[in-house]
Order: sequence, then C-alpha cells, then structure tokens
Amino acid sequence: DIQMTQSPSSLSASVGDRVTISCRASQDITNYLAWYQQKPGNVPELLISAASTLQTGVPSRFSGSGSGTDFTLTISSLQPEDVATYYCQRYNSAVTFGPGTKVNIK
Amino acid sequence: QVQLVQSGAEVKGPGASVKVSCKASGYTFTGYYMHWLRQAPGQGLEWMGWVDPNSGGTKYAQKFHDRVTMTRDTSITTVYMEMSRLRSDDTAVYYCVRDVGNWNNYWYFDLWGRGTLVTVS
Repeated sequence: DIQMTQSPSSLSASVGDRVTISCRASQDITNYLAWYQQKPGNVPELLISAASTLQTGVPSRFSGSGSGTDFTLTISSLQPEDVATYYCQRYNSAVTFGPGTKVNIK
Repeated sequence: QVQLVQSGAEVKGPGASVKVSCKASGYTFTGYYMHWLRQAPGQGLEWMGWVDPNSGGTKYAQKFHDRVTMTRDTSITTVYMEMSRLRSDDTAVYYCVRDVGNWNNYWYFDLWGRGTLVTVS
C-alpha cells in the first residue's frame, strides 16, 4: 500500500513569509496528488488537484508542484487566514492522505 | 444550493452498529460517486470507501470491508454508511464527500458534508 508522508508536521511563520510544505509518496503516483486546507473547526477544502492545478476561487498565492514521489505546496506570502492544517492526498485509483501539516502565524 | 447534509451525532456502546445518512441536494445525485472518510479526534483523514449512487456499486477499504456497508436511496437522494461491531477506536467524525468526477470516479473530493460525530463509549 502506498504511504504518504508530510514535512514538517507543523510550522510557524510570519505574515508575508513564503511557506513550503512537502509531501512524499512511497511509490510513484505520477501527478495524482491533491492538496486540501482544513481551517480550525471547518471541513477540508480542495485547493489543488493534479499536483499543480489550482481550484477555482483559491488565491493565487497558493501553488503546487512535483511529480512522481515528491510534491510541494507553497504559500508565497502567508496571510492570517491561511492558518490551517494542510493535507496531501494521493488518488491513483485509491485514496491515502498524508498526516497533515499545521500552519500557524508567528 | 449544492450541499451534503449529514445526520446528527451518535453515541453507541462497544459492539453496537451505527448508520449515518447524507442527503445530497442541488446537483444530479446519480452523477457523482460518494465517498466516506473519517477523522479521529486530533488525527488525520482516513478513506473508508465509496458508493456509486447510480448503480449502487461499492468499494471499501480493506480495513473496513467486513464491518461497513454503504448504500443509497435515489428516491430521497441520500447515501448511508453503516458500521457494525463498533470499538472505542471508531470514535471519529464521519464525512460524506462527493467525488469531483461527473459520471466518473476520480477519487478526490470537491464537496464535503459537515461531518457526523460518532462516539463509542
């Protein structure tokens, strides 16, 4: 079974900082990778699919990259409303989520 | 309004069963696979399976295949997830989530229910 890992597990950054979250698959998943944002007390929301396709309405400061086994979610300029836990998910005919990365404001 | 409305919180004893409902509205119910996920307190997300509202077909995660049944009632645009032989580690929020694919299963999700807390104690 394919395992998904994320790093770091949590981070604190200042408003305006560039934030990078990594996601790694234990096997090649080509680009079958989605990112979700779960704000405190809310349900997750889809940010990115196919590793780099931004969903409609998602701010352009979010971007995704990678293929194969290594993927990255980048927030180019962290905003207070970005405080959340971010999950990666592989979806090549099965579903596995990463353990999540909690993002806070310093 | 496109939404998924789930049934209310449940408290069950060990060994009991629970059935959670999820009513879909605002879109073509039979056109989108519905998946079930769960999230234990303070933990990440775990996929449980899917039901095809059109055919009634299902696929379950190996971990749950002998305890979970997912069904649908097209007349009331509702899907159900029933879990038997509950244990304390089944305490979690259970989500129904819509697959993004129209008449296809893409295995990722664009619409979430608010979740149903199931407590096993």
